Amino acid sequence: NAGVTQTPKFRILKIGQSMTLQCTQDMNHNYMYWYRQDPGMGLKLIYYSVGAGITDKGEVPNGYNVSRSTTEDFPLRLELAAPSQTSVYFCASSSPGTGDNEQFFGPGTRLTVL
Amino acid sequence: GESVGLHLPTLSVQEGDNSIINCAYSNSASDYFIWYKQESGKGPQFIIDIRSNMDKRQGQRVTVLLNKTVKHLSLQIAATQPGDSAVYFCAETNTGNQFYFGTGTSLTVIP
Repeated sequence: NAGVTQTPKFRILKIGQSMTLQCTQDMNHNYMYWYRQDPGMGLKLIYYSVGAGITDKGEVPNGYNVSRSTTEDFPLRLELAAPSQTSVYFCASSSPGTGDNEQFFGPGTRLTVL
Repeated sequence: GESVGLHLPTLSVQEGDNSIINCAYSNSASDYFIWYKQESGKGPQFIIDIRSNMDKRQGQRVTVLLNKTVKHLSLQIAATQPGDSAVYFCAETNTGNQFYFGTGTSLTVIP
């Protein structure tokens, strides 16, 4: 299993540009999450999904959108990039229904907005 | 929002000593807690978890202690090794969906 994969690894955007951060997991997990991590800080939840077709806002959803058309994929969309969105973005997945609450994280996408 | 904080932002220990990393949480309704390890340039990695109906849970070289009275969580690492050098985060939830992370403690192991 590849686990959780994220693309791209790095990206520089200009203010106002848009982009999609890709996340895919091959563990058949029903739960998926997007977090952002600012320098020297913990992770903050942006959006999460408990299954295909279902998404919910997390702690810091403003400026982002998500979709969950399949179990495997959970893309994160930035429509109008702002400097405040400069961060490292982590995608994670889990399958709490099996009794195992462990979240598996991807390697992250480092985004800079200039 | 939730408040999950750590008492010390950095911790240095000698190789072979035991390490203790502390975490305070504010939501008394939180019923599930996780410790993560994050190495430089990587995503967080699950270490150990504990539910609120437990006070202590042990893993391989790691022990998590939960004191619900004072809303405090600690991670003990036995015989700390250089490979344990990383940032450690605690996270809490009361829904199982939304996890709130602390700011992290940077552990440095001195050979």
